[in-house]
Amino acid sequence: DTGVSQDPRHKITKRGQNVTFRCDPISEHNRLYWYRQTLGQGPEFLTYFQNEAQLEKSRLLSDRFSAERPKGSFSTLEIQRTEQGDSAMYLCASSAAQGRTQELFFGEGSRLTVL
Amino acid sequence: QKEVEQNSGPLSVPEGAIASLNCTYSDRGSQSFFWYRQYSGKSPELIMSIYSNGDKEDGRFTAQLNKASQYVSLLIRDSQPSDSATYLCAVNDYKLSFGAGTTVTVRA
Repeated sequence: DTGVSQDPRHKITKRGQNVTFRCDPISEHNRLYWYRQTLGQGPEFLTYFQNEAQLEKSRLLSDRFSAERPKGSFSTLEIQRTEQGDSAMYLCASSAAQGRTQELFFGEGSRLTVL
Repeated sequence: QKEVEQNSGPLSVPEGAIASLNCTYSDRGSQSFFWYRQYSGKSPELIMSIYSNGDKEDGRFTAQLNKASQYVSLLIRDSQPSDSATYLCAVNDYKLSFGAGTTVTVRA
């Protein structure tokens, strides 16, 4: 399967714990995005990488959130000191470097439940 | 005002009918528009993209764009039960901004 891969698919944690999600984009894609989606809402933009450079972070991304893409390939999203309000589906997407660069392809998501 | 707004659902249509979904956006400079389908518990799947005014057809799906009115729509012809899903409108400058989605139920 050459689609976007996310891990873990499900994570249950206690409030105050740290969690990390990993995303492996489509191999030829150089742009990588993180979104968050809660029930009944559309995905909300969190942050965006082009290669290893993090080009934008949403105001939604508090200082408890950090994302990296150290070698321009896979990315990690870490949430420190989780809160119940962090419970959501965390979606990763990637897009091509050339051509239809604005067409995003999503992974299956990582669902976080904070107890 | 939200960047992307979709008509509130849910929308229930009988099998074989046309489902019509509407979306408006606030940024007049937006150039790229997308429709995603999202089944319950799954991630969004790109089904249509449209970049210029007019209609674009792909199988049973037709996207319509009117930049002057800042309006984009999706028609699903000959609706099937497998079309039952939430449809998300998205508008792109360098990132996608999504609407809240319209849930469509196709009654057999």
